[in-house]
Amino acid sequence: GAVVSQHPSWVICKSGTSVKIECRSLDFQATTMFWYRQFPKQSLMLMATSNEGSKATYEQGVEKDKFLINHASLTLSTLTVTSAHPEDSSFYICSVRPSLAGPTDTQYFGPGTRLTVL
Amino acid sequence: QKEVEQNSGPLSVPEGAIASLNCTYSDRGSQSFFWYRQYSGKSPELIMSIYSNGDKEDGRFTAQLNKASQYVSLLIRDSQPSDSATYLCAVKAQGGSEKLVFGKGTKLTVNP
Repeated sequence: GAVVSQHPSWVICKSGTSVKIECRSLDFQATTMFWYRQFPKQSLMLMATSNEGSKATYEQGVEKDKFLINHASLTLSTLTVTSAHPEDSSFYICSVRPSLAGPTDTQYFGPGTRLTVL
Repeated sequence: QKEVEQNSGPLSVPEGAIASLNCTYSDRGSQSFFWYRQYSGKSPELIMSIYSNGDKEDGRFTAQLNKASQYVSLLIRDSQPSDSATYLCAVKAQGGSEKLVFGKGTKLTVNP
């Protein structure tokens, strides 16, 4: 399977600060990356689709001004949680769909970033 | 609203038994189906994908798809304690969207 990395793997921050999470595709180029959030004992919820060179597409109910996404290259997407609050504490996971996936449109997940906002 | 439904479990089976995990989906036009395994505190790991009606086998895992019934399942043969995890069913919508819709997952426990 493909290798996707995320950094940091965990972060603790104070309320009101901003946190940047990086997602890197190590094995292939990815035009599209996805950002998910998972609260304890719940399933993955798609937050946004990150498109290289263009604006991200956010899911309904996700504040685009709070969750800033930048997909500056074919191997890197970043998610910045601005003015984080305790309710933003969650497990943030990115996934990557290879640009040349063809019919096998599998998404490969990064290891996740656990954010705790105090 | 496209939905993917799974029995949340927990499903408990003895070691060596067959574990059967089920999933139904609402979007009749869905074309791609995936099973992911997620250990506690970790991110999902792809187990299998299936696109055509019928069975697809990979080692101890068999995925079954029935598009007419909008049903996809995962069988795990010779279950091992290391198979204990939450299994997520994911469905890709029809059309150009790349989005996956996930079920809430079924927690499987394999008892030694």
